[in-house]
Amino acid sequence: AQSVTQLDSQVPVFEEAPVELRCNYSSSVSVYLFWYVQYPNQGLQLLLKYLSGSTLVKGINGFEAEFNKSQTSFHLRKPSVHISDTAEYFCAVRASYNTDKLIFGTGTRLQVFP
Amino acid sequence: DTAVSQTPKYLVTQMGNDKSIKCEQNLGHDTMYWYKQDSKKFLKIMFSYNNKELIINETVPNRFSPKSPDKAHLNLHINSLELGDSAVYFCASSQVGNRDTQYFGPGTRLTVL
Repeated sequence: AQSVTQLDSQVPVFEEAPVELRCNYSSSVSVYLFWYVQYPNQGLQLLLKYLSGSTLVKGINGFEAEFNKSQTSFHLRKPSVHISDTAEYFCAVRASYNTDKLIFGTGTRLQVFP
Repeated sequence: DTAVSQTPKYLVTQMGNDKSIKCEQNLGHDTMYWYKQDSKKFLKIMFSYNNKELIINETVPNRFSPKSPDKAHLNLHINSLELGDSAVYFCASSQVGNRDTQYFGPGTRLTVL
């Protein structure tokens, strides 16, 4: 079975500052990793995903994440955040052999202040 | 031009009632899902359907019954509603060859009184 831990439930940051949202996973098999974003009163939207290849993955809106197999981590980063980045961010994992079942973390609320 | 739509957006009902939530996607996808997000924002898959066939059925009470009349629709019927069913329910869809990108609807907030 797989599990995801998002260590920070809330991350406050000022506009234009860098941010890192942490995600660690646990799995006995190889996995694929994802970050989704949920803006207020909306459904989730895929930010980026790691399936294979380069461990540094770039996504939409200037976000990137790095897969670290030895540390079982997939932290999300952005060098300079905007007010509009305020949202809930979910890390997710699925076993590479299972095509559908995503396991989500409990989310990190990113609050960007002016 | 909504990709994945759900109705209703809000649903308030009494314990013991039966209710349905509808989901439609106009993306031409072949797989659809239902997720439940509880009050702590924890998101968990409930069901998935591929071409109207049930693929994933998590440990969900049998009071919950998904129905897929065609590839574009996946409805969720809930019998004998309980307080613990209060949550936000999300529908999502994906396409063969790109299953790792799921498109989510805006959610239905169900409140059971």
